[in-house]
Amino acid sequence: DAKTTQPNSMESNEEEPVHLPCNHSTISGTDYIHWYRQLPSQGPEYVIHGLTSNVNNRMASLAIAEDRKSSTLILHRATLRDAAVYYCILREPWGKLQFGAGTQVVVTP
Amino acid sequence: DTGVSQDPRHKITKRGQNVTFRCDPISEHNRLYWYRQTLGQGPEFLTYFQNEAQLEKSRLLSDRFSAERPKGSFSTLEIQRTEQGDSAMYLCASSSSKLNTEAFFGQGTRLTVV
Repeated sequence: DAKTTQPNSMESNEEEPVHLPCNHSTISGTDYIHWYRQLPSQGPEYVIHGLTSNVNNRMASLAIAEDRKSSTLILHRATLRDAAVYYCILREPWGKLQFGAGTQVVVTP
Repeated sequence: DTGVSQDPRHKITKRGQNVTFRCDPISEHNRLYWYRQTLGQGPEFLTYFQNEAQLEKSRLLSDRFSAERPKGSFSTLEIQRTEQGDSAMYLCASSSSKLNTEAFFGQGTRLTVV
């Protein structure tokens, strides 16, 4: 079973930030937090990952709680191309990804 | 490198027939994964290879399913005696065994069993 909990869907206006929460209360000390997204009719695409510290890349930012039991993916300025299902995953050491149902992000013009 | 490629993209087969899918990973990646995804659900892990060794198989992978990765390069996933419940998107991903690098997914093979 998936080890993370996410809201089913979130809606945002274009050009506004989107904050996607994820709970992972059973996280172990060696689990990395990974985020992937899946656009319609495509395979999942890597977004970002982190262990303890907040992370930024060209796609998004990842804010990790101090106790690591939750994290938030931040899309700074949502575009229509960001409409996708976003998955929060605790990656196992050899790379296995245990997907949950994810959060469907809807971006409104 | 053009990324992970899967063939075919779509397959329609009659119940009871055998089907085989192919995945070509990114060339320098030694890890290869197969996932299955049904409508409205996240991908479910099926099996994993490191080089040519199959190191884990999900209980979802019944004895009708078999996967191979000869010579640690491309991989094939075969389903024997297909059932309607096998209809799904089959996704392949690859990654490097360097610590915590991301996985790259192909666009998948959509199987429809009629």
